[in-house]
Amino acid sequence: QKEVEQDPGPLSVPEGAIVSLNCTYSNSAFQYFMWYRQYSRKGPELLMYTYSSGNKEDGRFTAQVDKSSKYISLFIRDSQPSDSATYLCAMSGGGFQKLVFGTGTRLLVSP
Amino acid sequence: DTGVSQNPRHKITKRGQNVTFRCDPISEHNRLYWYRQTLGQGPEFLTYFQNEAQLEKSRLLSDRFSAERPKGSFSTLEIQRTEQGDSAMYLCASSFGAGGARDKNIQYFGAGTRLSVL
Repeated sequence: QKEVEQDPGPLSVPEGAIVSLNCTYSNSAFQYFMWYRQYSRKGPELLMYTYSSGNKEDGRFTAQVDKSSKYISLFIRDSQPSDSATYLCAMSGGGFQKLVFGTGTRLLVSP
Repeated sequence: DTGVSQNPRHKITKRGQNVTFRCDPISEHNRLYWYRQTLGQGPEFLTYFQNEAQLEKSRLLSDRFSAERPKGSFSTLEIQRTEQGDSAMYLCASSFGAGGARDKNIQYFGAGTRLSVL
């Protein structure tokens, strides 16, 4: 079993839809939770990070962490075709050294 | 500051050849990380440096792989006697490092070097 599980998709939605992306994990030592966006043949771009449990909002993006369930989510409101990309969740322990990534979910937003 | 820079962007080589990649981190970032990403997978950790010291290596980093960070600035990743299974995107990331505000531990990635072994 992988430490971080993420549905690879693809997830197809119409423009303007609310998108929900999720990851589950097994390592209770994880304390930092991040979402990266990766366009084809590019490096990952940091979208949001959260320390421990709770919610964090930044514009159209909301990240949620539920440590009791070992479950994290990223919500995208008013999705745009430019949001079409692969979304990677990543996690790290308190020492904040190596990141452990999910496989990534490919999102397709159609006009 | 232009972010993490990686060169070359794409490398095509024949099996058995040696290749070397370079990473220039964000200036003043004292931690530097290497990851490998294959098609349809998330990046996998290879190794990281705190300044010039290599502090952790993954079991993925076989003895054909070596990484250096002389003087704690740029880093190189060398693969000797390349194999077709080495074909992947090699990503470099940097962070300010431990201590201080939590956001100083966030890792920022370069565009990657795509290796194709024929």
